[in-house]
Amino acid sequence: AQKITQTQPGMFVQEKEAVTLDCTYDTSDQSYGLFWYKQPSSGEMIFLIYQGSYDEQNATEGRYSLNFQKARKSANLVISASQLGDSAMYFCAMREIYSQGGSEKLVFGKGTKLTVNP
Amino acid sequence: GAGVSQTPSNKVTEKGKYVELRCDPISGHTALYWYRQSLGQGPEFLIYFQGTGAADDSGLPNDRFFAVRPEGSVSTLKIQRTERGDSAVYLCASSPTGGRVAFFGQGTRLTVV
Repeated sequence: AQKITQTQPGMFVQEKEAVTLDCTYDTSDQSYGLFWYKQPSSGEMIFLIYQGSYDEQNATEGRYSLNFQKARKSANLVISASQLGDSAMYFCAMREIYSQGGSEKLVFGKGTKLTVNP
Repeated sequence: GAGVSQTPSNKVTEKGKYVELRCDPISGHTALYWYRQSLGQGPEFLIYFQGTGAADDSGLPNDRFFAVRPEGSVSTLKIQRTERGDSAVYLCASSPTGGRVAFFGQGTRLTVV
């Protein structure tokens, strides 16, 4: 079974600094996708970034980058130049891909609460 | 609208009552998912639709929970004989055929008193 572990319940960062949110995963699948979502206090899950298990390059989306280390089964999110609006819950998730009739469901970690201080 | 729409945004119901939660996915998205998020936890998968059919309902906790998507667009999550433990935020998401990203609605906060 797939499992996501986020070991940091809360993180603090100063505005304009970079921060890394940790995520490790466990799966026996060869082909999978890793995702990060942001959940502000409004409740909506906002997609940030995606990394496929066969992607050779680390994914980047603006200020977000994903530090993918396949051998260590880690997919840490790096946020550069933090802004006050980055304060939110952040969830790491994974999904099996190319499954034969299998589910497209996401498996989520418990999340990390990020607080950006002015 | 442009995004996934869920109604109501909040629902308070008495223990034992029946509730329906509605999800209107992004137009044209064939895949639809329901998740449940308890306080302090990540979302947990309930059910996945591809078109009108439930391709995976392995996350439904028991037979009090049921979901439908009769025309392949709007979906309704139905909970019978609600219990206090059903209190949570119910999230709906959709994605296009072959799409890898699921887009979420803002959720329905269900409180069973």
